[in-house]
Amino acid sequence: DTILTQSPVLAVSPGERVSISCRATEGVDSYVHWYQQKPGQQPKLLIYKASKLTSGVPARFRGSGSGTDFTLSIDPVEADDTAIYFCQQSWNDRTFGGGTKLELK
Amino acid sequence: QVNLLQSGAALVKPGASVKLSCKGSGYAFTDYYIHWVKQSHGKSLEWIGYINPDSGYADYNGKFESKASLTADKSTNTAYMELSRVTSEDSATYYCARGAYNNYIMDVWGQGASVTVSS
Repeated sequence: DTILTQSPVLAVSPGERVSISCRATEGVDSYVHWYQQKPGQQPKLLIYKASKLTSGVPARFRGSGSGTDFTLSIDPVEADDTAIYFCQQSWNDRTFGGGTKLELK
Repeated sequence: QVNLLQSGAALVKPGASVKLSCKGSGYAFTDYYIHWVKQSHGKSLEWIGYINPDSGYADYNGKFESKASLTADKSTNTAYMELSRVTSEDSATYYCARGAYNNYIMDVWGQGASVTVSS
């Protein structure tokens, strides 16, 4: 299985920039996608194929990377961005990262 | 708009089976695959498998091959997942999601269905 590793928690202040990383144990080309999950809600697709922004998602969200290292950036961070962010790969079956909980200071 | 409506919470006895449903609306149901994803105790997500509602072909994560069975009914735009011989390890929230972009992504998700295994 392709394992995706994410930092468990990040804390930032509103208005700052944050980068959330996702590292794969093997190359997955650009088939990494990012989801946002707020408490009590289903996941929501933000970014697909590493850098493509889903329609309706603010341009503050940006994805980058290829191969084994990927990043989701939010700039500037807003209070409403408090959530867990998951990366997912679909190059080798499908697996999800453990999630990064974004907290605001 | 595109929507996936899942069945409600289920309380199931150990060793029994449970069947969850996922009804699609607002799009051509047979044009998109349906994925199922498990989330235990608000933690990470595990992909269970997907089904092609048009052909009935299903593909599974090896970990769930003997646990989950995916089916679909084109006449009612509904996908199903049956979990067999449940244990406490199967207590979780289960999501269905629509497969899009050549089935590489899950672009619309159901609201989730909670399954609790308890005697």
